[in-house]
Amino acid sequence: KNEVEQSPQNLTAQEGEFITINCSYSVGISALHWLQQHPGGGIVSLFMLSSGKKKHGRLIATINIQEKHSSLHITASHPRDSAVYICAVRFGETSGSRLTFGEGTQLTVNP
Amino acid sequence: DSGVTQTPKHLITATGQRVTLRCSPRSGDLSVYWYQQSLDQGLQFLIQYYNGEERAKGNILERFSAQQFPDLHSELNLSSLELGDSALYFCASRTGTGGYGYTFGSGTRLTVV
Repeated sequence: KNEVEQSPQNLTAQEGEFITINCSYSVGISALHWLQQHPGGGIVSLFMLSSGKKKHGRLIATINIQEKHSSLHITASHPRDSAVYICAVRFGETSGSRLTFGEGTQLTVNP
Repeated sequence: DSGVTQTPKHLITATGQRVTLRCSPRSGDLSVYWYQQSLDQGLQFLIQYYNGEERAKGNILERFSAQQFPDLHSELNLSSLELGDSALYFCASRTGTGGYGYTFGSGTRLTVV
C-alpha cells in the first residue's frame, strides 16, 4: 500500500466544471505539496500546505491534519488545466526532507 | 524557467553505458534532490545533498552515484545502464532545512536502448 493515495486516477471534465482531487496519507507529515506536471514532463509546484487552506487564482488547496487528507480544487476548469496533478508529502523530520509522491491524477478538461 | 537547470534534456544511450546528468540549483538553494520517474513506479526519491554533503538516500541503485560540488551544482552518474533505467530524472532544489517549497528542474529524459 502506497503511503500516499490519490483519487481519482483519471478525471475527465467539461470546461467550466468544478474539479476535486483527493489525497490521503498514512502517518503524520510536516508538509504536503500539490504539483502539476504537463505533457512535456516539467513539474511545477502549486501549493505547499501544513494546515488550513490556500488559494491561488482558480486553484484552492485544503488540508485536514487530523483526518490526514488534502484536496485540490479547480474552479471554472479550462482545457489548459489538463495535466497530471501529484500530491507529495514530507513526512516527519526523521525521514529527512525528501518527498513521497502519490501516483498522480490525470486530468483532461474538454472544451 | 524555474531557476533549476538540468542538462541534457534528452539522452539516448545503449545498455551497459554510463551517463552523467547535471543539475544547477536555484540561486541560493543549498539542497539538491534527485528523483526518478518511471512509467511503472511513478516518482521516487533517489538521493539528497545539502551544501556538498550527502544528506539522505532513497531507492538508489548501487550502479548510480551522485555528488554535489562546491558551486552547489550536482551530478547524477548512472552506470552499467539497463533498459529499466529508462525514465525521467528530475532534480529539485530547496533553500534550507525549514518549511520551504521545492523547485523542480525540467528533467532529463533518459532512454536506454
